[in-house]
Amino acid sequence: GQQVMQIPQYQHVQEGEDFTTYCNSSTTLSNIQWYKQRPGGHPVFLIQLVKSGEVKKQKRLTFQFGEAKKNSSLHITATQTTDVGTYFCAGLIQGAQKLVFGQGTRLTINP
Amino acid sequence: DAGVTQSPTHLIKTRGQHVTLRCSPISGHKSVSWYQQVLGQGPQFIFQYYEKEERGRGNFPDRFSARQFPNYSSELNVNALLLGDSALYLCASSFSNYGYTFGSGTRLTVV
Repeated sequence: GQQVMQIPQYQHVQEGEDFTTYCNSSTTLSNIQWYKQRPGGHPVFLIQLVKSGEVKKQKRLTFQFGEAKKNSSLHITATQTTDVGTYFCAGLIQGAQKLVFGQGTRLTINP
Repeated sequence: DAGVTQSPTHLIKTRGQHVTLRCSPISGHKSVSWYQQVLGQGPQFIFQYYEKEERGRGNFPDRFSARQFPNYSSELNVNALLLGDSALYLCASSFSNYGYTFGSGTRLTVV
């Protein structure tokens, strides 16, 4: 079946360190979306990437979409305690009307 | 402007019962998707509806059904509840599959 794999499952960093989570799909994606979910909350949309090789930045967050449109990454520079949460990638499967989520990377930060 | 609203917020049901969950999308959004999220995992796609028609279905048994009404609100129905159906059920609305906006979810507990 169509799968979106995300690693690592957990990441603990010291405040100020960088953080990266990686996402891989078994099939080509129409787009990749990233969401953040705080403990006890619901996923909140961060960004969408559509084009092959696309790179987008939001302040300390950098998002990349692979050339083959099968992989993506989120990099956070100099983490802050407000970055705590679980980051999910979600791929829109080409030709199918479903947004498939990865398992998420849970980020915890030591202040 | 109201976001995605879901009701009820919490629900406790007994095995074998059925449940109906409700969702009102953001005004102007014609697409509604339903997801099941078990603690510690990513949201699992159940259904997507667009303009009252089912556009996508995930790998869930026929006990799960949904519909979308002329005002674009939606219901998710689950029959013959099992303990394993206990989860957070999320509804998301979107405009053309761009950036889903999630509701706060319905926490279903089956006992």
